[in-house]
Formats: sequence, C-alpha cells, structure tokens
Amino acid sequence: EAGVAQSPRYKIIEKRQSVAFWCNPISGHATLYWYQQILGQGPKLLIQFQNNGVVDDSQLPKDRFSAERLKGVDSTLKIQPAKLEDSAVYLCASSLEGPAEQFFGPGTRLTVL
Amino acid sequence: GNSVTQMEGPVTLSEEAFLTINCTYTATGYPSLFWYVQYPGEGLQLLLKATKADDKGSNKGFEATYRKETTSFHLEKGSVQVSDSAVYFCALRGSSSSASKIIFGSGTRLSIRP
Repeated sequence: EAGVAQSPRYKIIEKRQSVAFWCNPISGHATLYWYQQILGQGPKLLIQFQNNGVVDDSQLPKDRFSAERLKGVDSTLKIQPAKLEDSAVYLCASSLEGPAEQFFGPGTRLTVL
Repeated sequence: GNSVTQMEGPVTLSEEAFLTINCTYTATGYPSLFWYVQYPGEGLQLLLKATKADDKGSNKGFEATYRKETTSFHLEKGSVQVSDSAVYFCALRGSSSSASKIIFGSGTRLSIRP
C-alpha cells in the first residue's frame, strides 16, 4: 500500500515570497492533516480536513497560510508571503477516520532566508 | 489546556542498554496516549498506544504503561539496538470532542552506539 506522498521534499525561498506544498494521502483516507514542525519541537496541527471540509483550523495563521482539499483527495498548503519564522518541516498525515491512527508523509523542509 | 512534557535529549546509550524516556501529561478526563517514532529521513510512525488507565502499549520490544495517578506514559525498552536510533515523540489525544486533536511533546533524540 502506498504511503502519504508529499512534494517537494525541500524548498528554499526568500522572505515575502510565496510557496505551496502538495500532499496525496493514502487512498480511501477521509481525514487529512497538515502539521508544522519547527526544529526542536513536536508537530503542531495547522489544519484538519474531513473529506473536503475543514474540521479544525484554529492554529492556522490565516493572514498568510491557506489550504484546500478539492475533491476530498489531494491537498495543497500555501504560504503567502513567507516570514523567517515559517522555516520548518511541513508534515501531511491521513487517517481512515478520526485522529487516532494517522499515517505521516516524509514532510517538506522549508527554509526561509 | 492539554499538554505533554517529555525528557530532553539527546540521549546516547550503548547497544543492549536499558532505555527509559520519561513523558508526563496534563489533560482533563481520560486522554489516549501515544508514542511516535521518526527514523532519519522518514515520516513519523505510530510506535504504540494506550487508551485507558493501566493499559500497557507494546511494539518492537518497546513498552509504555498509562499511569493515571502519576499522569505519566514513560517509554521503556530492555535492550536497545543501533536501529532504534531515532526521535521519539510522546503524544496525547483529549477525551472530549472539542479536544480531539493530537498534542505532541517536543521529542527526544536517541542515539545508540555499537
């Protein structure tokens, strides 16, 4: 069974530029999550989708971050404009239902210069 | 709110040594508790879990017991191997519908010397 796919794996941009990340969850998984993992910290949930609806985006900085999951499968996370403090690994995860058994992708490491 | 505190790393041990990584939590009600592992270059994987007090989760020789009286979920392994080198995250999920997201600790990096 294929795992959660993410691209790109690495991205370097300058502050105030825009960036987008892509995630393809495990086939059949209705729930999709985006996490931000800053160096030395645990992952922090940014947004949770159930199919193509948002369940929780309470920790998403909505002035610069946006995410969508059209058709309830793939998802994109965008940052516009990026700040230095956005440097982190962005993890995508999916689950059949609920948060208990999440499967994580390898992450996208973003460096903002 | 809910939170998880785990011992800071890095932790360096020799092969076949006994491992303990401490984890304590703060939560209302009866959360579910988890240990995740992140091997170099890979995504997080669920290592083990426990969903109620006194439950013991186990996998790949690792164990952790849900202790409600001490609000702890310490990770243990009797004899570590070089292949156990990774970052370990303690995590919890709240018991109420309004607190169902997973909260992660800051992670503990474990290095095993041959």
